[in-house]
Amino acid sequence: DQQVKQNSPSLSVQEGRISILNCDYTNSMFDYFLWYKKYPAEGPTFLISISSIKDKNEDGRFTVFLNKSAKHLSLHIVPSQPGDSAVYFCAASSYGGATNKLIFGTGTLLAVQP
Amino acid sequence: GAVVSQHPSWVICKSGTSVKIECRSLDFQATTMFWYRQFPKQSLMLMATSNEGSKATYEQGVEKDKFLINHASLTLSTLTVTSAHPEDSSFYICSARGRTVFNQPQHFGDGTRLSIL
Repeated sequence: DQQVKQNSPSLSVQEGRISILNCDYTNSMFDYFLWYKKYPAEGPTFLISISSIKDKNEDGRFTVFLNKSAKHLSLHIVPSQPGDSAVYFCAASSYGGATNKLIFGTGTLLAVQP
Repeated sequence: GAVVSQHPSWVICKSGTSVKIECRSLDFQATTMFWYRQFPKQSLMLMATSNEGSKATYEQGVEKDKFLINHASLTLSTLTVTSAHPEDSSFYICSARGRTVFNQPQHFGDGTRLSIL
């Protein structure tokens, strides 16, 4: 049972344009969401997070939007740069959980074309 | 940002060997460390959660006797794959989180590529 889903395995965007990565979840107990970026043979790097009390969080070129009613979140990267090319994972956890373990999506491979 | 160091980055060994992987938090005290496994083109699957000074909590389907986890200090956790076999070949990644009351992200090591011949 995949509780966190990223339905697009890959995305290709031109440099300078907007990249939009999507993520859906099924567990209504999730209240904390994160985006990680991962290069091959490296561990994930934390990008940005959002708590369920918010619907938007922005950090530089990265903005995460949360739609709780739709159980959907998205990551916007503007403007996209070739160095953004990587696999992006969304993850979710429930603060009330004893361990705050993260449930990861399957990832979206972003390719930013120069 | 927080730094988590994982060692070794790559291991190739014969079937039946036990392999130890270390995960260190370099600039913060990690009260909780997590061990993940990633198969090619798949997501990170949580194997176990370890809190400093206590036994690890394993996810369903993960063999405790196969994957021994020790979290003896606030900066070090180890994963030992005992009597490794080819099916244990995978990418293992640890993460660490400091003392937290509210939400705080996990910070990941760079992973260990384990290849069992």
